[in-house]
Amino acid sequence: QVQLQESGPGLVRPSETLSLSCTISGGSISTYYWSWIRQPPGKGLEWIGYISFSGSTNYNPSLKSRVTISIDTSKNQFSLKLTSVTAADTAVYYCARDSDVAWFDPWGQGALVTVSS
Amino acid sequence: QSVLTQPPSASGTPGQRVTISCSGSSSNIGRSYVYWYQVLPGTAPKLLIYRNNQRPSGVPDLFSGSKSGTSASLAISRLRSEDEADYYCAAWDDSLNVVVFGGGTKLTVL
Repeated sequence: QVQLQESGPGLVRPSETLSLSCTISGGSISTYYWSWIRQPPGKGLEWIGYISFSGSTNYNPSLKSRVTISIDTSKNQFSLKLTSVTAADTAVYYCARDSDVAWFDPWGQGALVTVSS
Repeated sequence: QSVLTQPPSASGTPGQRVTISCSGSSSNIGRSYVYWYQVLPGTAPKLLIYRNNQRPSGVPDLFSGSKSGTSASLAISRLRSEDEADYYCAAWDDSLNVVVFGGGTKLTVL
């Protein structure tokens, strides 16, 4: 069965770039779409964007100017970069397989990223 | 403020039936499938209902989803203590070009 695992620094300084990777095991990245979703502490879920196996992307307009999602099929991995972070970007970041828009299954366990100096 | 509106809380006693609503508009629920996610404390979200009313394998049949017009609902029949969690609805919004989530409903089993 497909499993996803996020990895990356848990602490990022304000104004710097948040970088996370999601490694897929038990299946190939070369099908489906793949999304990033985040949840700030005590708040709800926010979709960040998705990437297709061919590399096409779609980002949340509220984050579009700061977000880049990329894919590395050779590593069965996709990644998130979020630039110019502030404390408002502190959240648990999840990666998920996207079978259709908003159809997220499965999810990674999540990675807490704190933005602080 | 979330594009999809859910009640912030709901509660019920074991064995009771509980319904959680999700209200949207013609640009999201009115023209897109609705999905429901369960978030147990300290765990990642789990898909509960897809395409309005379909259950993934492994999800008990006490969970059911429905949609009518620009609203959707999740029903839990025969409530159990382990159903205490946060529940989120989600859909694609054609006008905003974004996946929108409800604000979440915290379900308490009394």
